[in-house]
Amino acid sequence: NAGVTQTPKFRILKIGQSMTLQCTQDMNHNYMYWYRQDPGMGLKLIYYSVGAGITDKGEVPNGYNVSRSTTEDFPLRLELAAPSQTSVYFCASSSNRPGTAYTGELFFGEGSRLTVL
Amino acid sequence: AQSVSQHNHHVILSEAASLELGCNYSYGGTVNLFWYVQYPGQHLQLLLKYFSGDPLVKGIKGFEAEFIKSKFSFNLRKPSVQWSDTAEYFCAVRHNFNKFYFGSGTKLNVKP
Repeated sequence: NAGVTQTPKFRILKIGQSMTLQCTQDMNHNYMYWYRQDPGMGLKLIYYSVGAGITDKGEVPNGYNVSRSTTEDFPLRLELAAPSQTSVYFCASSSNRPGTAYTGELFFGEGSRLTVL
Repeated sequence: AQSVSQHNHHVILSEAASLELGCNYSYGGTVNLFWYVQYPGQHLQLLLKYFSGDPLVKGIKGFEAEFIKSKFSFNLRKPSVQWSDTAEYFCAVRHNFNKFYFGSGTKLNVKP
């Protein structure tokens, strides 16, 4: 069972470039999330999704876009990269469906370290 | 603004010392509480969680946490730390339609 898989693990971008961070989960979780982690700041929620076709902004959505066309995939798009987007990005998933597989916590991917120069 | 506060940003302990990391939150209503650990270079992993019932919850690796509703607190404890506990620890609150909010983290450095 792979859990939450993110790609790429590392990427260097030039200012103004665009890229997509990929995230996929195989746990049939309905919720998916993107967080960014900056030193001393903890994790900040960028976007989240409650299911295929439904997304919503989190605490720090500016400069990012997401889509959720399937239950499994939740890509994060960076348009016009800026140095302020240098960070470690974590994708996560969760389920809020009561049942035998319900555990209620977030499951994280391995992270993607992005540097914008 | 609603928040999750971790007041200890950096803690240094010797092996076998006792640990207590503070976590306070300001969200009202029903919340679920979590502690996650992040070892150097790794992703976050769940240590323990509180949903309901006994306010003293036990997690993996000898960690425990106590939920005190009146104080909006969920402090993490371990009676005797080991060098392998060196990591960053995050408190998190699940609130408002399954959104998770995190504290700023506490870096624990255990000296052998």
